[in-house]
Amino acid sequence: DQQVKQNSPSLSVQEGRISILNCDYTNSMFDYFLWYKKYPAEGPTFLISISSIKDKNEDGRFTVFLNKSAKHLSLHIVPSQPGDSAVYFCAARLIGTASKLTFGTGTRLQVTL
Amino acid sequence: EPEVTQTPSHQVTQMGQEVILRCVPISNHLYFYWYRQILGQKVEFLVSFYNNEISEKSEIFDDQFSVERPDGSNFTLKIRSTKLEDSAMYFCASIGLASYNEQFFGPGTRLTVL
Repeated sequence: DQQVKQNSPSLSVQEGRISILNCDYTNSMFDYFLWYKKYPAEGPTFLISISSIKDKNEDGRFTVFLNKSAKHLSLHIVPSQPGDSAVYFCAARLIGTASKLTFGTGTRLQVTL
Repeated sequence: EPEVTQTPSHQVTQMGQEVILRCVPISNHLYFYWYRQILGQKVEFLVSFYNNEISEKSEIFDDQFSVERPDGSNFTLKIRSTKLEDSAMYFCASIGLASYNEQFFGPGTRLTVL
């Protein structure tokens, strides 16, 4: 039951360029979406989020876009830096405060020099 | 900056043994969660806990699992009789008053069942 999908297991981007990570979901009851960054042997670190009533949220180098009709969201990182190399997880929350998160399978981003 | 802490960082146990994984959520947080990640797979929800009781649990969270908040600061996950397939990273998370949207995760406990 893959309600949240990240179809690209890995992505390699040159330093300074834009990284675009994609995420698709199937459950229309999701009302809040989050991106987490994870380094090996560490817990997921919250990066940025977006409510279903918005289509864009920006925080510094990170921007998340939400297309509700397509049930698709993306994370843009610009410019990409070597320290951004990590696994990025998309997560979605059902309507209701403090509901559980449903995670995608993750995309490993490698930013090369 | 406040953070969620977990102990131990790595636990090795024999199949059939009981293990207790410990978490200290961020002070004043109200909702607590356990998730796990089997190697190479996605992070999966196990259980959520609010007001001293389970608010939601997944099908993974069967009778072998239990959670407790024994003293107002610790939040524990107990596995009564571990199986090989319980080997995974276990993450604790919590949500606070300032925002009900972002769950803050601990560094995880790697459980290895032999």
